[in-house]
Amino acid sequence: EPEVTQTPSHQVTQMGQEVILRCVPISNHLYFYWYRQILGQKVEFLVSFYNNEISEKSEIFDDQFSVERPDGSNFTLKIRSTKLEDSAMYFCASSDRVTETQYFGPGTRLLVL
Amino acid sequence: GNSVTQMEGPVTLSEEAFLTINCTYTATGYPSLFWYVQYPGEGLQLLLKATKADDKGSNKGFEATYRKETTSFHLEKGSVQVSDSAVYFCALSFTGGGNKLTFGTGTQLKVEL
Repeated sequence: EPEVTQTPSHQVTQMGQEVILRCVPISNHLYFYWYRQILGQKVEFLVSFYNNEISEKSEIFDDQFSVERPDGSNFTLKIRSTKLEDSAMYFCASSDRVTETQYFGPGTRLLVL
Repeated sequence: GNSVTQMEGPVTLSEEAFLTINCTYTATGYPSLFWYVQYPGEGLQLLLKATKADDKGSNKGFEATYRKETTSFHLEKGSVQVSDSAVYFCALSFTGGGNKLTFGTGTQLKVEL
């Protein structure tokens, strides 16, 4: 069964450093998303992406964040200058046009020190 | 705005007990409703969904019925197993590609022998 994959599974970084989180969505999906879950809190929407453009972004997704689909398979989330409060689990998801059901990857746990 | 409210956890049950996890939503319009499950150390998995009023979603013995009149989507299972121990998230989304999921806070279920 096709699945969304994410790398790395864990990342530790120093405050102020740039991080890039990578995702490979399901191959025939057209819509891509990033969510985050701060420990013990709800899953929060960050951004959605379609046709090489951001479709929607939340107020969390400020200028420090960017997304990119650099090739036909990867979808990345970049945090330019990490803050302590960026520590969270980051989930990538994708969906197709027919069912519109979002399928999630296993997540990347980011720890900012 | 749109929101999802779930019952507080953790919920602790004995194996073979009946499970209900309450979920209510607030939305303008008629969203699709979802239950996602997060097993320890893993990502979010779609458990079931319903796209219109009176639809019943079901999977792995879990059921939930979309009740427009009470704006609810309660999750039920007749006989839980230890392997059902996980965090359960209720969520909503509107149809149309790329629409974000809005999640509840999650309810942790612990099933004991």
